[in-house]
Amino acid sequence: AQSVTQLDSHVSVSEGTPVLLRCNYSSSYSPSLFWYVQHPNKGLQLLLKYTSAATLVKGINGFEAEFKKSETSFHLTKPSAHMSDAAEYFCALNGAGSYQLTFGKGTKLSVIP
Amino acid sequence: DVKVTQSSRYLVKRTGEKVFLECVQDMDHENMFWYRQDPGLGLRLIYFSYDVKMKEKGDIPEGYSVSREKKERFSLILESASTNQTSMYLCASSPMFGSRYQPQHFGDGTRLSIL
Repeated sequence: AQSVTQLDSHVSVSEGTPVLLRCNYSSSYSPSLFWYVQHPNKGLQLLLKYTSAATLVKGINGFEAEFKKSETSFHLTKPSAHMSDAAEYFCALNGAGSYQLTFGKGTKLSVIP
Repeated sequence: DVKVTQSSRYLVKRTGEKVFLECVQDMDHENMFWYRQDPGLGLRLIYFSYDVKMKEKGDIPEGYSVSREKKERFSLILESASTNQTSMYLCASSPMFGSRYQPQHFGDGTRLSIL
């Protein structure tokens, strides 16, 4: 069985400060991992993906994530938060070579002016 | 860019009605998915399809069926709508080739209310 745990349901940061959204995974296979962002009343947009190449992955809008196999983690970071980053973020895993993704329950990011 | 289009953004139906949610993708993707999204529960897979006329049950198929008559179109059907099916419904697609490494591409969702 595979699973994704997003460790915080809600994160609040001040504009201009760093963002850290945490994701741990469990998989019997070498995983592919994804981060998505969802703005209110919109679908999910892909931020970045890890597919067993470089462990530090850069995505859109200044986000990046680091794959750490020893810690089974794939945390999302951004050096400086912007008001437009306020949204819900989902970590997702494909660990079994199937068509399906397993999603975490999401982390809502609030950015305080 | 991949475009996944869901036919309605907002839909209000009555209990017992048969409801159709439509999804079209323009990238010739083999795989298509239907999810429902509820607060605190994240995304849950209802059904997916990996080819025309093929379908597989996801985690919560009860009360739903699907139809895929053409490669680009995947329909979700609520046979007899109930209030506990009020939710946000998301459609997604992905290519078959290298599917394990490919992200899914999502539509904007349909917010369905059953009264």
